[in-house]
Amino acid sequence: EAGVTQFPSHSVIEKGQTVTLRCDPISGHDNLYWYRRVMGKEIKFLLHFVKESKQDESGMPNNRFLAERTGGTYSTLKVQPAELEDSGVYFCASSQGLPGGRSEQYFGPGTRLTVT
Amino acid sequence: AQSVTQLGSHVSVSEGALVLLRCNYSSSVPPYLFWYVQYPNQGLQLLLKYTTGATLVKGINGFEAEFKKSETSFHLTKPSAHMSDAAEYFCAVRFYSGGYQKVTFGTGTKLQVIP
Repeated sequence: EAGVTQFPSHSVIEKGQTVTLRCDPISGHDNLYWYRRVMGKEIKFLLHFVKESKQDESGMPNNRFLAERTGGTYSTLKVQPAELEDSGVYFCASSQGLPGGRSEQYFGPGTRLTVT
Repeated sequence: AQSVTQLGSHVSVSEGALVLLRCNYSSSVPPYLFWYVQYPNQGLQLLLKYTTGATLVKGINGFEAEFKKSETSFHLTKPSAHMSDAAEYFCAVRFYSGGYQKVTFGTGTKLQVIP
C-alpha cells in the first residue's frame, strides 16, 4: 500500500511568487493534516481536513496560505505571495476516520520550501 | 495546554555507546506520547508510542522509551548506537479536542553517531 506522498520534494521560489504544494494521503483516509517546520523549530500544526471539510485551521499563519481538498482526496496548500519566513519543510499526514479520532497519523516525506 | 520539550538540539554518541534522548511533556489530560524519527531526505517515521498500559515501550531498531508520569518524561534510549541511527528524532504528544486528535511536537534532536 502506498504511503502519503508529497509533491514537489523541493521548491525554490522568489519572494512574491506563488507556490502550490500537493499531498496525496493514503487511500481511504478521511483525515488529512498539514504541518510546517521552520528552520530549527518545532513541527507545527497548520490545519486538519475531514474529507473535504476544514475541521481545524487554527494553525494557518495568515491569509497568504490557502488549503483545499476538493473531493476529499488529495490536498493542495498554496502560498501566495510567498515571503522569506515561509521557508521550511511542509509535512502532510493522513489517518483513518475511526470513531473518536483515535487513529494513527502517517506522515509524508515533506516538501522543503525555500523562499529567496 | 500541551507542550513538549526536548533537551539538546544535538547529541553526539560514539558507535556502541548508550543513546539517551530526553523528552518532557506538559499535558492537562492523560497523554499519548510518541517518538518519530526522520532520516535524511525521508519523511517522519513512527519509532514507538505510549498510549496506555505498560510504561516501558519498545519500538523499532532497538529503541525503547519509558513513560514516567511523576517526572512527566518520555526519554528515548538505545543500549548501543549504530551508525544507521544518525537522524533527527522528534518527541510528540497527542491529545483530543472536540473529538479529533491534535499532535504537538518538540523541536527535535539531531543524533550524530561517531565511528
